[in-house]
Amino acid sequence: NAGVTQTPKFQVLKTGQSMTLQCAQDMNHNSMYWYRQDPGMGLRLIYYSASEGTTDKGEVPNGYNVSRLNKREFSLRLESAAPSQTSVYFCASSPRTGNEKLFFGSGTQLSVL
Amino acid sequence: TQLLEQSPQFLSIQEGENLTVYCNSSSVFSSLQWYRQEPGEGPVLLVTVVTGGEVKKLKRLTFQFGDARKDSSLHITAAQPGDTGLYLCAVGSSGGSNYKLTFGKGTLLTVNP
Repeated sequence: NAGVTQTPKFQVLKTGQSMTLQCAQDMNHNSMYWYRQDPGMGLRLIYYSASEGTTDKGEVPNGYNVSRLNKREFSLRLESAAPSQTSVYFCASSPRTGNEKLFFGSGTQLSVL
Repeated sequence: TQLLEQSPQFLSIQEGENLTVYCNSSSVFSSLQWYRQEPGEGPVLLVTVVTGGEVKKLKRLTFQFGDARKDSSLHITAAQPGDTGLYLCAVGSSGGSNYKLTFGKGTLLTVNP
């Protein structure tokens, strides 16, 4: 019963480096989400994918790109990391679009020096 | 302007005490969710409230949705150290086939033994 799996769990980057955060869910959910969590700011939506083949911007999309590779996988890419992107990143999924619960991964702690 | 205002931001109490945390907004919602997040983990859904005035109980936790569906409260009776965590309220919004969840900044609760 893996649920939502995120990799890596920790990452340190230098300014300007690129990386991809991976997320996979094994619950056959349609919708997937990327959030970032910063002290005093709560959880803010970066991008989401309502269904396979679609992606949309959330509240704070600048500096990020996403790929919904298939129904299971939704990756988040930082092309040129900046210190302002130091944060904890959470991937989540939900069964279908509508008023329902999100299932979260355990997060990726990213530091950009 | 924050869609959801949570108060207090921090709360530190002794084991056995009662507490109430709040989630307020000027907007009307069709439903509202409460999540709990433990250190190093992603948020986990506790409850969804749908009807104005609705009260739901989950063991020692009591959730209430305001009559006007603009606010909600979470009351914990006889708090235990295991209740320590970040309590987040969240509301959904839909546009076409898309659905996304917006979170408040949370209340960080510490229950001391």
